[in-house]
Amino acid sequence: DTGVSQNPRHKITKRGQNVTFRCDPISEHNRLYWYRQTLGQGPEFLTYFQNEAQLEKSRLLSDRFSAERPKGSFSTLEIQRTEQGDSAMYLCASSNSAQGYEQYFGPGTRLTVT
Amino acid sequence: LAKTTQPISMDSYEGQEVNITCSHNNIATNDYITWYQQFPSQGPRFIIQGYKTKVTNEVASLFIPADRKSSTLSLPRVSLSDTAVYYCLVGDSWGKLQFGAGTQVVVTP
Repeated sequence: DTGVSQNPRHKITKRGQNVTFRCDPISEHNRLYWYRQTLGQGPEFLTYFQNEAQLEKSRLLSDRFSAERPKGSFSTLEIQRTEQGDSAMYLCASSNSAQGYEQYFGPGTRLTVT
Repeated sequence: LAKTTQPISMDSYEGQEVNITCSHNNIATNDYITWYQQFPSQGPRFIIQGYKTKVTNEVASLFIPADRKSSTLSLPRVSLSDTAVYYCLVGDSWGKLQFGAGTQVVVTP
C-alpha cells in the first residue's frame, strides 16, 4: 500500500488557463474526496465520490470546477479558466465506506495562478 | 454539519501532556468525533475517532463526556515533532469533513 498519491505536486499557471489534477487513492478504498486549503485555514470540502458516482458537490464550487472518477479508481479535478483566487493547495483523500471519517490524505497539489 | 470550537493555539514543553478541548454543542446522534493532525505542506493525518466515553490508541486518547457536547484530545509526553495543527471534527460515516481553523500546538524544548 503506497498511500494516496497526487500529481502534479506543484502547478503554476496563468490566469485563464485550464488545469487538471490527478489523485490515485488507496486501492481498496471506494470513497474519494477533494478538498481545497488556503494558507492559515483548514481544508474546505469540495466534492466526493463513492466508486464512480459523484455524491455531493459543495455549493462553494463554481461551474468552472469539475471532477470525475471513471471506473471508480483514480480521480481528476479540472479547473477551467483559472482565476487568482483559485490559488490554493488541492488535497485528495480516500476512505472505505464503513469509516468515512477516517480518511487518508495525499500530499496535495499546490496551484499558483499568476 | 455540526460546528466545532477549539482554541487557536497552545504552547507546551517537551515531555508534558497536552489536552485540547473542543466544543460541539450541536452534535447529532449519528455523528462521530474525529481528530486530525497536520504538518506544514502535508495533508492532514487521522489521529483518533470516538463516539462516546474514552478511546485510546498508540498516539492519543480521546475523552468524550456523556452529553457528547465536547471532547478532549490528550497527547501524552509530547515531543518537538508533535508541533502541528490539530483539527477537531464531527460528522457521520459519509465522511464529508468540515474542518475549522484548528489548534496550533507548539512544543518547545
